[in-house]
Amino acid sequence: AAGVIQSPRHLIKEKRETATLKCYPIPRHDTVYWYQQGPGQDPQFLISFYEKMQSDKGSIPDRFSAQQFSDYHSELNMSSLELGDSALYFCASSSRAGNTIYFGEGSWLTVV
Amino acid sequence: QKEVEQDPGPLSVPEGAIVSLNCTYSNSAFQYFMWYRQYSRKGPELLMYTYSSGNKEDGRFTAQVDKSSKYISLFIRDSQPSDSATYLCAMKNSGYSTLTFGKGTMLLVSP
Repeated sequence: AAGVIQSPRHLIKEKRETATLKCYPIPRHDTVYWYQQGPGQDPQFLISFYEKMQSDKGSIPDRFSAQQFSDYHSELNMSSLELGDSALYFCASSSRAGNTIYFGEGSWLTVV
Repeated sequence: QKEVEQDPGPLSVPEGAIVSLNCTYSNSAFQYFMWYRQYSRKGPELLMYTYSSGNKEDGRFTAQVDKSSKYISLFIRDSQPSDSATYLCAMKNSGYSTLTFGKGTMLLVSP
């Protein structure tokens, strides 16, 4: 079965640079979530979208922005990167009518 | 106090043991309860999903929810070394809300 696809899987950026992560949800899923997981931490909710509109907002820094496109894929844009942004970023998807949320394999961001 | 409490472990058991993993929570509005398994540097994999109180069984896994005690459990029978991973409980209060996770329990199953 198709899963949530994230790209890139790994990226290394320098401080103050910009990074963009992409997420392709499971087919027919209309809701996308972004989570950040630091080493040894549980996933922290950043932001979610339903039908291309922001539906909920968590602890997303002002330096980050995200959007969902007409084909339901989503992008997380991170600017002015800081060392503390180094983490595993997960995208997850669900259908609005469903209650199960499926995660992608994550994108490892290292800021040096 | 965190909304969802989960012992981080590690929990070490021999192969074949029955494993019990637990979470407590404080938000009585939570209605949907999930267990995820996460291998190192991988995405969380959905193992079990339960709505409201009750039990659910899937193969070697059994999930229990006791809403009156605000306590959920995951039991793993005949544990295998391949079960070694971090197990995250997660819950939400409606179909439209986001997940709140526990810290995760690291399980180590030795051959």
